[in-house]
Amino acid sequence: AQSVTQPDIHITVSEGASLELRCNYSYGATPYLFWYVQSPGQGLQLLLKYFSGDTLVQGIKGFEAEFKRSQSSFNLRKPSVHWSDAAEYFCAVGDPVDTGRRALTFGSGTRLQVQP
Amino acid sequence: GAVVSQHPSRVICKSGTSVKIECRSLDFQATTMFWYRQFPKQSLMLMATSNEGSKATYEQGVEKDKFLINHASLTLSTLTVTSAHPEDSSFYICSARDPQRGPQEQFFGPGTRLTVL
Repeated sequence: AQSVTQPDIHITVSEGASLELRCNYSYGATPYLFWYVQSPGQGLQLLLKYFSGDTLVQGIKGFEAEFKRSQSSFNLRKPSVHWSDAAEYFCAVGDPVDTGRRALTFGSGTRLQVQP
Repeated sequence: GAVVSQHPSRVICKSGTSVKIECRSLDFQATTMFWYRQFPKQSLMLMATSNEGSKATYEQGVEKDKFLINHASLTLSTLTVTSAHPEDSSFYICSARDPQRGPQEQFFGPGTRLTVL
């Protein structure tokens, strides 16, 4: 069975500083990989996704993520954090052989706080 | 495009009553919708997979008689929490797949906050 680990439950960074959120997955092959962001009391918004090809993926709001097969990782990065980036971030994986009826598997999430 | 709505966004009910939550795909047809439950400061827990025209598939430990799911059309799935109790208070989120878009990408509704008194 596939699983997703987000080792950092809570991260605090200063506004303007760089950010990296970690995500490791366990799967027999390369899964489809996603990062979502959730503001308090809201649903999830897709930041970026990786299916195949270039391992550095650009997303919305200035985020990027790099797929590293050797490390089974898909870490999310942003060079300069804004106060509005404070939210909960979820990494998720999907099964490439899925017929279209399986849900994604989510990590436990990382709460990001941004200090002025 | 690919907008999913949920109604209501917030509901407060008395213990023992039933509550229906609607999930709609506004600009696409979704053959599959998913229902998640999220406790405070926790991740999303998949409750069930809703397939249009067939019975929902429930995850282990989720009572199908308590959480009734109906996916009667390609744009609407409903979750009914029957005889709700305080422990059912949670944030319920639905998502839908657009088969015309990329594989496995899910579009999430804004969630419904259920409080059972």
